[in-house]
Amino acid sequence: DIQMTQSPASLSASLGETVTIECRASEGIYNGLAWYQQKPGKSPQLLIYNTNSLHTGVPSRFSGSGSGTQYSLKINSLQSEDVASYFCQQYYDYPRTFGGGTKLELK
Amino acid sequence: EVQLVESGGGLVQPGRSLKLSCVASGFTFRNYGMNWIRQAPGKGLEWIAYISSGSSYIYYAETVKGRFTISRDNAKNTLYLQMTSLRSEDTALYFCAKQREVQPFDSWGQGVMVTVSS
Repeated sequence: DIQMTQSPASLSASLGETVTIECRASEGIYNGLAWYQQKPGKSPQLLIYNTNSLHTGVPSRFSGSGSGTQYSLKINSLQSEDVASYFCQQYYDYPRTFGGGTKLELK
Repeated sequence: EVQLVESGGGLVQPGRSLKLSCVASGFTFRNYGMNWIRQAPGKGLEWIAYISSGSSYIYYAETVKGRFTISRDNAKNTLYLQMTSLRSEDTALYFCAKQREVQPFDSWGQGVMVTVSS
């Protein structure tokens, strides 16, 4: 199975700040990488797919990058509505696997 | 508007069975692969099963293989998860989610809670 290691597990940032979340795959996943946002009490929502493609309706302050085994999610100009947990996920192979998640809070 | 609505959850004793349903609307259900993903209380996400649009391809996580069965009825726009030999570690919020081809999960249901306890 492909292991997804996400860091940090938690993150505290101020409004307007830029934050970056990292995700490392245990083997190459050839850009089959997605990011999801999950707000408390809600289901996850797709943010980014194919490493750097924004899903419909996702604000442009979200961006993704990476290749091989290293990927990242960047949020520019943090807004209050971005407080959530974020998960990376590989869909290169079965079983599909997720990172452990990053809980983003406001400082 | 895409809607995925799960049902069938509840409290069940260890060793017993339960069947979840996910009714889809707002898209052409028969054209999409479907998945079940779960989240234990306060924990991360665990993918557990996939079924292709025509049911030709089915995959399971090792944690549920042999105990859970995913199926679908395209005439009823409904996805199912038959769960048997339930264990306490199966306690979780169960989501259904759709996907296109080799793509991520682009829409999720609101989830249904399954609690396995005596």
